Amino acid sequence: EIVLTQSPATLSLSPGEGATLSCRASRSVSSYLAWYQQKPGQAPRLLIYDASNRATGIPARFSGSGSGTDFTLTISSLEPEDFAVYFCQQRITWPLTFGGGTKVEIK
Amino acid sequence: EVQLLESGGGFIQPGGSLRLSCAASGFTFSNYAMTWVRQAPGKGLEWVSATGGSGFSTYYADSVKGRFTISRDNSKNTLYLQMSSLRADDTAVYYCATTLTTRIGWYWYFDLWGRGTLVTVSS
Repeated sequence: EIVLTQSPATLSLSPGEGATLSCRASRSVSSYLAWYQQKPGQAPRLLIYDASNRATGIPARFSGSGSGTDFTLTISSLEPEDFAVYFCQQRITWPLTFGGGTKVEIK
Repeated sequence: EVQLLESGGGFIQPGGSLRLSCAASGFTFSNYAMTWVRQAPGKGLEWVSATGGSGFSTYYADSVKGRFTISRDNSKNTLYLQMSSLRADDTAVYYCATTLTTRIGWYWYFDLWGRGTLVTVSS
């Protein structure tokens, strides 16, 4: 099983600041990694797939990068609605796995 | 409207069985591989099971293999998860979701999600 480790666990930032979230895989997942956003009481929403492709309707302030074992989700300038929990997920092998999440909270 | 609606959750004693349903509408259900993902209270996401568009291919997390069975009825636009030998650590909100489909192809990422149904396993 591929283990995805996200860091930091919590990121305290102010609106307008940039955010950098990390996801590290226990072995290479090539570029087969996605990022999701989840707000309290809601289902997750797909943001980025295959490391760097924005899903339909996702604002350009969200970008993804990385390959192999190290991946980054960048939010260029935080909007109030971006404060949420973010998860990464790999699809290179079964079982599909998620990271433990990074909470982006208002400072 | 494109949507998924889960049902069948509830309170169940350890060792019991439960069947979850996920009703799809607004899209051609048989064209999409489907998945179940769960989230224990206050915890992260855990992939549970998946199936291809025809239902012939099925995949399971080790934590549920042998206890849960995924299936689908494309004539009813419905996905199912039959859960047996339930344990306290199966307590979670269970989401169904479609795989991502783009112009290029489809991928084992999850695009359209339902709102989830809560399963509580407790004595």
